[in-house]
Amino acid sequence: EAGVVQSPRYKIIEKKQPVAFWCNPISGHNTLYWYRQNLGQGPELLIRYENEEAVDDSQLPKDRFSAERLKGVDSTLKIQPAELGDSAVYLCASSYSGGIDGNEQFFGPGTRLTVL
Amino acid sequence: LAKTTQPISMDSYEGQEVNITCSHNNIATNDYITWYQQFPSQGPRFIIQGYKTKVTNEVASLFIPADRKSSTLSLPRVSLSDTAVYYCLVQIYNQGGKLIFGQGTELSVKP
Repeated sequence: EAGVVQSPRYKIIEKKQPVAFWCNPISGHNTLYWYRQNLGQGPELLIRYENEEAVDDSQLPKDRFSAERLKGVDSTLKIQPAELGDSAVYLCASSYSGGIDGNEQFFGPGTRLTVL
Repeated sequence: LAKTTQPISMDSYEGQEVNITCSHNNIATNDYITWYQQFPSQGPRFIIQGYKTKVTNEVASLFIPADRKSSTLSLPRVSLSDTAVYYCLVQIYNQGGKLIFGQGTELSVKP
């Protein structure tokens, strides 16, 4: 069974440019997560989807970040415009259930973004 | 607001038991605690999960004392391949399942 797929794996852009990341979760997983992980730190949740609905986007910087999950499967995370401080690894994860009673998240390999 | 604290790093030798503790304040009785392992250039990988007392699986044990102010991941007889960063994750029930990762503990296993 394929795991969580993310693309691209690496991205280098100049500041003020837009960038987009794509995630394909494990088949049958209705919950999808986007995290940002800075060097030497734990992942920080940006947004969590239950099917098509964003149920927690409290940590998403909405002035420049946006996300969508059309049809409750694939998801795209966008930054526009990118800033130097956005350099990080962006992780996507999925789980069968995102309920508040615990679950096992499966993570993709991440996209390493470098903003110059 | 819940916050988690872990030791930044730990050293061990092959064959030893390793215990990594995560401190977390304001954890309710039905808030889940999960531990993940992460290797360089990879996403975190699930190790174990629980919300009370003790849970054991084929690779680790998770201990949660009654006061729930901390939890301990126990790795029996570590090997060189267990060298990785270990994260605790707390899921807060009464905040809609809010997810809070710790800063991670870098475990180095030496021969």
